[in-house]
Amino acid sequence: EDKVVQSPLSLVVHEGDTVTLNCSYEVTNFRSLLWYKQEKKAPTFLFMLTSSGIEKKSGRLSSILDKKELFSILNITATQTGDSAVYLCAVIEGSQGNLIFGKGTKLSVKP
Amino acid sequence: GAVVSQHPSRVICKSGTSVKIECRSLDFQATTMFWYRQFPKQSLMLMATSNEGSKATYEQGVEKDKFLINHASLTLSTLTVTSAHPEDSSFYICSARDRRRDEKLFFGSGTQLSVL
Repeated sequence: EDKVVQSPLSLVVHEGDTVTLNCSYEVTNFRSLLWYKQEKKAPTFLFMLTSSGIEKKSGRLSSILDKKELFSILNITATQTGDSAVYLCAVIEGSQGNLIFGKGTKLSVKP
Repeated sequence: GAVVSQHPSRVICKSGTSVKIECRSLDFQATTMFWYRQFPKQSLMLMATSNEGSKATYEQGVEKDKFLINHASLTLSTLTVTSAHPEDSSFYICSARDRRRDEKLFFGSGTQLSVL
């Protein structure tokens, strides 16, 4: 069964809109949750979240983790066409630090 | 930021040949590297965890004799696809964990393998 579930799977918005991407997880021995942006091919790192309730921000992007409800959100404000990409959520679990990816959310920002 | 170099970026080979893909951490030592496979429009699938100086740990369903992983140094891991077949055609990505940076993962640029 899926351990890391992202929603929605795809999203189409217009420039200037604000979007919220969701990631829920169910793993044993949770360590961290990470967000990546994948455009073209290889993912690039966005955020790493370990503690609940602490918002991380980078420009128009922000993310927060809720370890009680087992989810995280990634917010993008004032979206631009350059934000179009697949956003991947991943969870590090277990003593070996295995990384489990969600299926991703494909975001398309129209001009 | 940390850089992970993956080479080659694209390879086309005949069925039955072996292909080696290299993954290097350029500015940090990576005791652990990971190899993923990605099919079109699908998420990354972890194939194996490569540990420096020891045998790789393979995920269920991944043939260790087909996908040979060698992590001979703290900056280099290699994935060799042996006796490649068309169904092995895929996008392969490596990542390395930088323990100096809270264990963040940095990814290589990926290798598109096409087996004819």
